Amino acid sequence: QLQLQESGPGLVKPSETLSLTCTVSGGSLSTTDHFWGWIRQPPGRGLEWIGNIFYTGSTYYSPSLKGRVSITVDTSRNQFSLNLRSVTAADTAIYYCARVFLWLPPRWPDWIDPWGLGTLVTVSS
Amino acid sequence: QSALTQPASVSGSPGQSITISCTGSSSDVGNYNLVSWYQQHPGKPPRVIIFEVIKRPSGVSHRFSGSKSGNTASLTISGLQTEDEADYYCSSYAESSTFVLGGGTKLTVL
Repeated sequence: QLQLQESGPGLVKPSETLSLTCTVSGGSLSTTDHFWGWIRQPPGRGLEWIGNIFYTGSTYYSPSLKGRVSITVDTSRNQFSLNLRSVTAADTAIYYCARVFLWLPPRWPDWIDPWGLGTLVTVSS
Repeated sequence: QSALTQPASVSGSPGQSITISCTGSSSDVGNYNLVSWYQQHPGKPPRVIIFEVIKRPSGVSHRFSGSKSGNTASLTISGLQTEDEADYYCSSYAESSTFVLGGGTKLTVL
């Protein structure tokens, strides 16, 4: 059974870069049927899609975060990572990584399953 | 790209049926049958309960059903049970390989 696990610092200072890694186990992320994505949830609030990556490295980002976000993939380690630059308190959230099923063709993101357990990242000095 | 619009809260009694709406635009919900719904209990990650508007993943109760009309998708839960009390989110494909999510609906089972 595929599982995803987020890891990284739980506290980041304002203006610095938030970096998280998602480790995929129980399956390979080198598949043509899936993207791999990041979604966040500020405490007590709703979900926000951050971006997706294909195993080849193709990326797709939320327009609201584009310019501050980058997602990379390391197929040899079965991991993908999130970097969010110039963070503020508004970036405080639980960050989830997830597998994204694709509508094929034309390879559009469809639905999300499974999700990691999530990791809380607080932006504070 | 605006978030999909959901009611902030809905409620119902055990055994009743409720419907949660999810309104988007012709750039997302209205133009693609790639709407999914997620259930989230407190302190847990979301889990998918409906995908591609009407499909249920294996293991999801038949009490959950989805539909769509124009720019609005809907989730119906029939025979409400206390364990259905949770937050529900819709999601849709939104052009250029992006997603858009709804603001979430809190379901209270009275």
